[in-house]
Amino acid sequence: DQQVKQNSPSLSVQEGRISILNCDYTNSMFDYFLWYKKYPAEGPTFLISISSIKDKNEDGRFTVFLNKSAKHLSLHIVPSQPGDSAVYFCAASVGSNFGNEKLTFGTGTRLTIIP
Amino acid sequence: GAGVSQSPRYKVAKRGQDVALRCDPISGHVSLFWYQQALGQGPEFLTYFQNEAQLDKSGLPSDRFFAERPEGSVSTLKIQRTQQEDSAVYLCASSLAPGLAGGGKAHEQFFGPGTRLTVL
Repeated sequence: DQQVKQNSPSLSVQEGRISILNCDYTNSMFDYFLWYKKYPAEGPTFLISISSIKDKNEDGRFTVFLNKSAKHLSLHIVPSQPGDSAVYFCAASVGSNFGNEKLTFGTGTRLTIIP
Repeated sequence: GAGVSQSPRYKVAKRGQDVALRCDPISGHVSLFWYQQALGQGPEFLTYFQNEAQLDKSGLPSDRFFAERPEGSVSTLKIQRTQQEDSAVYLCASSLAPGLAGGGKAHEQFFGPGTRLTVL
């Protein structure tokens, strides 16, 4: 039972354009959402997060949108740069879980930025 | 170094062999997590420590898996009698403290590079 789903295994985007990565979740207890970026042979690196009390969080070129009623979140990268080519994981946690913020991950989307 | 380190980076084991994977979290980090990442999948939670206390081991797939963090810093994940289905990347993550950091944000989990285990 996949509680966090990333239905696009891969995405190719022209340099300078917007990249949009999508994520859906099924567990209504999730109240904190994160995006991680992963390069080969490295561990995931935190990118941006959003609490369920918000519907948007922005950090430089990265914006995460949360639609709680649809149980959907998306990551927008604009403008896309070649260094953004990586695997992106959506993750969720129950923030009120007495400090055990174990993460539930999606299966990842491989983003390729075309120069 | 300042980040989370894991050793060995690569481990090849024969089926039935015992293995031990080590994680050195960031100094001062209270929370420590182990995740298992199978090929083509996202990381899956295995177990969680708060200092030396193992508060959640609900993700350990069988009683062949055992984790410890005796002094609240370095952690070891041990797999006994390895099977081919144990082949995966094992990731360790640490975070500063449990609970919220303030402003509705959770403390960031910092991941190590992982140990790639191959069971033949």
